[in-house]
Amino acid sequence: DSGVTQTPKHLITATGQRVTLRCSPRSGDLSVYWYQQSLDQGLQFLIQYYNGEERAKGNILERFSAQQFPDLHSELNLSSLELGDSALYFCASRGQGPTGELFFGEGSRLTVL
Amino acid sequence: AQSVTQLGSHVSVSEGALVLLRCNYSSSVPPYLFWYVQYPNQGLQLLLKYTSAATLVKGINGFEAEFKKSETSFHLTKPSAHMSDAAEYFCAVTTSGSARQLTFGSGTQLTVLP
Repeated sequence: DSGVTQTPKHLITATGQRVTLRCSPRSGDLSVYWYQQSLDQGLQFLIQYYNGEERAKGNILERFSAQQFPDLHSELNLSSLELGDSALYFCASRGQGPTGELFFGEGSRLTVL
Repeated sequence: AQSVTQLGSHVSVSEGALVLLRCNYSSSVPPYLFWYVQYPNQGLQLLLKYTSAATLVKGINGFEAEFKKSETSFHLTKPSAHMSDAAEYFCAVTTSGSARQLTFGSGTQLTVLP
């Protein structure tokens, strides 16, 4: 158990819809990262938050947005969903040490039909 | 910019045989390197990390990796494969100046044959 909690574990929805994925980082961790894992793209970094502020953006589509709340949990919002958005979405939090290893949640599997 | 290349998307070994998963990195500054393992339907779990201390790093489950700067490599090895080692393995790199983003390789699926 990494200590990072993600909900829901599985989500099935239709094209054009909007979903919200939730992540609670490990106790004491201030950084939250979102990654997308798909068969054709591998593990892609989407976005990073640190203590409520956006720190870095990766390959995140304009249809996707995220935020980190004062209690440090984070939400990833995916809208106008397309079939190609079907993937595993991982949240990770970063430890306080200098080396920056990430601790991953078990992921939210999104299926868009 | 930093990047990681994992050679071989699929590796098969017999139970008891040596496991060798290859990873080469590219970084303009000293890197921190990681190996993660992903079992089916699970998240990524840290196996080991290189943090510029010892070049030979020991991790969990009997795995180890050696940082070779001259070869820009960080290959993962295990002397004797076990059936439970079957999983996908990811090499990753970050640097102190990269907002701690981890850049992952494309992964290597390890199959262990009885």
